[in-house]
Amino acid sequence: GAGVSQSPSNKVTEKGKDVELRCDPISGHTALYWYRQSLGQGLEFLIYFQGNSAPDKSGLPSDRFSAERTGGSVSTLTIQRTQQEDSAVYLCASSLVATIQSSTDTQYFGPGTRLTVL
Amino acid sequence: GIQVEQSPPDLILQEGANSTLRCNFSDSVNNLQWFHQNPWGQLINLFYIPSGTKQNGRLSATTVATERYSLLYISSSQTTDSGVYFCAVDGGTYKYIFGTGTRLKVLA
Repeated sequence: GAGVSQSPSNKVTEKGKDVELRCDPISGHTALYWYRQSLGQGLEFLIYFQGNSAPDKSGLPSDRFSAERTGGSVSTLTIQRTQQEDSAVYLCASSLVATIQSSTDTQYFGPGTRLTVL
Repeated sequence: GIQVEQSPPDLILQEGANSTLRCNFSDSVNNLQWFHQNPWGQLINLFYIPSGTKQNGRLSATTVATERYSLLYISSSQTTDSGVYFCAVDGGTYKYIFGTGTRLKVLA
């Protein structure tokens, strides 16, 4: 597709279960970002991938959160033993390069996955 | 880390009115972007503007990097302008820091 896609669009899970969220970036984009947006709040950076380099995981809130990016393309964000405070919209974005230096390098966002932990 | 503050937090306008949204940041940044999040949650980039002024139709933005602020101008507002406007800055670590946003509602 032409844009960033995410799946599922909605996920309802029970406390303590594991969930996997998927992001398909725009083809050819080397940089991929995950953010979390709690209700009525701004975006919180989680993790960033650039090509085949080691990801910057400094934004992950706990060791229950992990992410991988296979083949420099699709990324999966995994949350283990979900808690109610994990409920949020998880947004993925990709950009041509990480060092955004022009409007053509900007981040393109997916529609998000709304996670609800009961 | 860099702090990003946006004002006002909420804004209600009558269709056709003009408005100015402000973004203050606490340290020098490599780049700054403005985004619009529509009522359905989709985020769209409006401007990449680490410095200077840009215009795109009814929208324009100015960043004064030396004074650490950016302004987004909306002229002749339309109901489709409703949503949340975010500015995001990169201090050189690729961890884009988003402000808390300005929630705009344009009334018909």
